[in-house]
Amino acid sequence: KNQVEQSPQSLIILEGKNCTLQCNYTVSPFSNLRWYKQDTGRGPVSLTIMTFSENTKSNGRYTATLDADTKQSSLHITASQLSDSASYICVVSLNTNAGKSTFGDGTTLTVKP
Amino acid sequence: DAGVIQSPRHEVTEMGQEVTLRCKPISGHDYLFWYRQTMMRGLELLIYFNNNVPIDDSGMPEDRFSAKMPNASFSTLKIQPSEPRDSAVYFCASSYGTYRGEQFFGPGTRLTVL
Repeated sequence: KNQVEQSPQSLIILEGKNCTLQCNYTVSPFSNLRWYKQDTGRGPVSLTIMTFSENTKSNGRYTATLDADTKQSSLHITASQLSDSASYICVVSLNTNAGKSTFGDGTTLTVKP
Repeated sequence: DAGVIQSPRHEVTEMGQEVTLRCKPISGHDYLFWYRQTMMRGLELLIYFNNNVPIDDSGMPEDRFSAKMPNASFSTLKIQPSEPRDSAVYFCASSYGTYRGEQFFGPGTRLTVL
């Protein structure tokens, strides 16, 4: 069964600190992996999209890495801000049905002053 | 562009009533997705369309759910009859292509079935 597992489930850090969120998947055949940020009460917003041939992708203070061999991805947030408090969702798409995706349960990040 | 537009933003109804959720995708996008989000199950894809044609509806929970896309700028998700377990936030998203296409989500409709 295709699965996407994220860790930790929740994380609290102080403003200005860095953090790394993990995503392990068993989806196969793999098409692409996306990281979304979802603020409370709003729809998810795409942060990065990576295909199997890409190892890293950055979007400002957000950097995603992908190891297609071990089927692991991470999202690194640098110099966290209060506005980074949100849920971060990892989504993996199938190669055979690129419109269909498997969603992780998300990591809830809280940045405290 | 105003982004993906969904209406209503909040809907409270009683069990057994018909509920219709509406979505206007971003102009020019050829894919439209309907998702449901709950605390227990997270985000789930219900159905998606390509060029107004339903491609995969395997995520639709049961026959009480139906979705249509009569034209490129409008889609509906209907629940008839509604049940309390349908209470969730329903998101619509659109994209141009899906292989590398970024999906843009609407603000969601929070549905409460009493």
